[in-house]
Amino acid sequence: SAVISQKPSRDICQRGTSLTIQCQVDSQVTMMFWYRQQPGQSLTLIATANQGSEATYESGFVIDKFPISRPNLTFSTLTVSNMSPEDSSIYLCSVSQGGTGNTIYFGEGSWLTVV
Amino acid sequence: GNSVTQMEGPVTLSEEAFLTINCTYTATGYPSLFWYVQYPGEGLQLLLKATKADDKGSNKGFEATYRKETTSFHLEKGSVQVSDSAVYFCALGGNFGNEKLTFGTGTRLTIIP
Repeated sequence: SAVISQKPSRDICQRGTSLTIQCQVDSQVTMMFWYRQQPGQSLTLIATANQGSEATYESGFVIDKFPISRPNLTFSTLTVSNMSPEDSSIYLCSVSQGGTGNTIYFGEGSWLTVV
Repeated sequence: GNSVTQMEGPVTLSEEAFLTINCTYTATGYPSLFWYVQYPGEGLQLLLKATKADDKGSNKGFEATYRKETTSFHLEKGSVQVSDSAVYFCALGGNFGNEKLTFGTGTRLTIIP
């Protein structure tokens, strides 16, 4: 299994500011993903973090708002830019080690509140 | 595209009751199916998974069987405990080379003593 650490675990942010969330995995993984979970809602995929290249964003999410880095096989960051109260969510990092029927693991999430 | 339809909540049961949370899916190919659990104030934990038709995933007394003929993956537990109170998410994904997950809406379960 993979152990995933996310920082920060919680934060209260001012409107208009940006915050970078870090995701560190204890082993090399093939794929890393970022999800958002708005209050009382299910999880929605933001993007796939590709090592050494630009992230692949899902419909409704753009790089200017959610820039992502993935410098190596164990680390990724997600920045939430120019935050508004609508960005108050749990942001979760997820990893896959590849292969058919592979298990996908999640970090404990970063709980952001924008005021 | 892929989709997951999950039983609406919230669900409230008494301790030791039998639990079923329904989950059906629409997908192309041969996806893997998962149940994740989110305890209050915590992140997502994998509860169980099944990777092919007729597989049964099980963990902590929970079970779910991958039924291709009915495109279902219902979660069951014979005797629930207060500690099982959480939100349960059914998810689909894991086609080889595609590890993006599609989640159901989640079912909030509350167990009362």
